[in-house]
Amino acid sequence: KAGVTQTPRYLIKTRGQQVTLSCSPISGHRSVSWYQQTPGQGLQFLFEYFSETQRNKGNFPGRFSGRQFSNSRSEMNVSTLELGDSALYLCASSLDGRENEKLFFGSGTQLSVL
Amino acid sequence: AQTVTQSQPEMSVQEAETVTLSCTYDTSESDYYLFWYKQPPSRQMILVIRQEAYKQQNATENRFSVNFQKAAKSFSLKISDSQLGDAAMYFCAYRTRTGNQFYFGTGTSLTVIP
Repeated sequence: KAGVTQTPRYLIKTRGQQVTLSCSPISGHRSVSWYQQTPGQGLQFLFEYFSETQRNKGNFPGRFSGRQFSNSRSEMNVSTLELGDSALYLCASSLDGRENEKLFFGSGTQLSVL
Repeated sequence: AQTVTQSQPEMSVQEAETVTLSCTYDTSESDYYLFWYKQPPSRQMILVIRQEAYKQQNATENRFSVNFQKAAKSFSLKISDSQLGDAAMYFCAYRTRTGNQFYFGTGTSLTVIP
C-alpha cells in the first residue's frame, strides 16, 4: 500500500507569490491534516479535512487555505507569501480521524520564501 | 490551551546505552492521548509509542518505554540499548479525545555515538 505522498518535495518562491502544495493520502483514508514545521516552533496544526469539508482549523491567517477533493487528495494554498512562511509543510492522513486511529505522515514539502 | 514542552533541544547517547527524553504538557482535560514521534533525515514522522491518559500502565514498545506521570503532566521516553538507527528528531505530542488535532513540542535532536 502506498504511503502518504506529498508533492513537490522542494519549492522556492519569492515574497508576494502564492503556492499550492499537494497531498495524496493512503488509499481509503478520508481524513487529511496539514502541519507547518519550523525550527524552534515544532509542528503547528493548520487544518484538517474530512470528506471534502474542513473539520478543524488552527490559528493561522486567512492566507493559508486548503481543500479536499472527492478522492480525498488535498491541496494547501498560501497566498501573498512572507519570509516567515518558509517551513516544512507536512501532511498526515488517517481513516476517519478518530481518536484510536494511527496518523500517517508524508515526507513533507520544504518551502523556501526568498 | 494545550501546550507541549520539550526542554532538551539536543541529547546524545552512547550506542547500547539508555537515554531518557523529557516532555511536559499543560491541559485542563482529564482524558487525552500522548505520543512520541520520530523524524529521521527522511523527514517522515514515524510513530514510536502511544499512551492513553486513562491507562495507568506505562506503554512499552520493544526498546521504547514511557514514564507517564498524569498528576505531574509529564511524559518521558526511555530508549534502551540505543542503536545508530535511533538517531533522529523526537517529538512529543498531545491529542484530545475529540477533534483530530495534535499539539507538538519543539523536538529533541538525538545523536547516537558509536
